[in-house]
Formats: sequence, C-alpha cells, structure tokens
Amino acid sequence: AQSVTQLDSHVSVSEGTPVLLRCNYSSSYSPSLFWYVQHPNKGLQLLLKYTSAATLVKGINGFEAEFKKSETSFHLTKPSAHMSDAAEYFCVVSGPTSGTYKYIFGTGTRLKVLA
Amino acid sequence: DADVTQTPRNRITKTGKRIMLECSQTKGHDRMYWYRQDPGLGLRLIYYSFDVKDINKGEISDGYSVSRQAQAKFSLSLESAIPNQTALYFCATSDSGAGDRNTIYFGEGSWLTVV
Repeated sequence: AQSVTQLDSHVSVSEGTPVLLRCNYSSSYSPSLFWYVQHPNKGLQLLLKYTSAATLVKGINGFEAEFKKSETSFHLTKPSAHMSDAAEYFCVVSGPTSGTYKYIFGTGTRLKVLA
Repeated sequence: DADVTQTPRNRITKTGKRIMLECSQTKGHDRMYWYRQDPGLGLRLIYYSFDVKDINKGEISDGYSVSRQAQAKFSLSLESAIPNQTALYFCATSDSGAGDRNTIYFGEGSWLTVV
C-alpha cells in the first residue's frame, strides 16, 4: 500500500526567497512521485515527476524536487519565489495497489507569497 | 481547447435531485477518473475506468454512479444529491502504458453546490 504526507498545510514566503514544500511517502514498491500545482479556479497542472531515473528532477517554472529513498521524501524547492507561485501544491505517489495502479494524493500545501 | 473538458463548470442543485457531470477528453487516453476535492482532504477517488467496459469503485463511491459512454467520455451522476456532496469535482485521464509512470491530466473542475 502507498501513502503520502505533506508536512505543512500552509507555507508563507517572501517574494525572492526560497520555497520548500515537504512531502514524505510510504510505498512497498519503488514508487513514481509527482508534484502538481493548482491555481485558484483551475485544474491541477503537472510540475514534475520522478519515475526512477535521475533522483533530482527539474520541472516547470524553476521548481525541482529530489527523491531521497533513505528519507522517503520528495520535497519541492524553488530558489526564488515569485508572486505567481501562490497556489496549492499536491504531492502524489503512484504504484501498484490491489492489482492495479493508483494515484494517491496528499492533502495539499497552500503557498502564500508575500510582496 | 482544453484536452479534458468538464461540463457544467458550476451547478447549484437541490437536495434529492439527480445531477450529472460530464467529461470528455481529446488526449486519446484509455483511463479516466473522477475525483472529489474538499478543503484539507486533497483529492479522493470516486470511480475510475481503464477502458470502455471496465468500471471500478474508488474510495468514496457511495452515492455516485458513472457511465463510460465511449473512450473519450466519462460521466458522473449523483442519483439523489445531498448537501455533503457539495465539493469540487475533477475528471482526469491517463495513458495505459508504463503502468504507474504515466502523468494524470485534469480537467478544470466542476463546482457542485447542493442546497
């Protein structure tokens, strides 16, 4: 079985400062991991995904995440926050569950960017 | 045009009424999903379909039904709507190749309010 935990429900940063959104996962298998972003009144958009290739994954809009198996983590980072980064972010784990593949969503982290 | 289109985008309905949310996709994917989003709970899977003749219950299927009319169309019905079904509903699609490594693509959501 798989699960995912987003450690912070809300994160506030000042514009131009680094962003860190934390995600821990649990999986019996080597998982695939994703980060999605949801802007207000919009659907979820893929930021990046890890599928057992390079452990440091680069995504869109300057975001990146590092897969750390020993820590069962997949934290999302960005060196410098922009006002347009204000949104909700979801960490997702995918893998075999009961004979099929399921996507399990974290509860989300709302990022606020202060001017 | 969006790859995954949901209609209606917003609906207010009364308790006890039947409501259908429709989803169509132009991505050519085999797999389609319906999720429900509630604040603080992330996305929870209602139903999923891996092809036209395959329908599966997700974690919160009670009170909902679905129909896969074609590869590109997947509709969600609330047979007798109740207020705690007030939520944001997402349709999503993914390809069937490469198992869990496939990106899942979302529509822009349908806001449903049951009064």
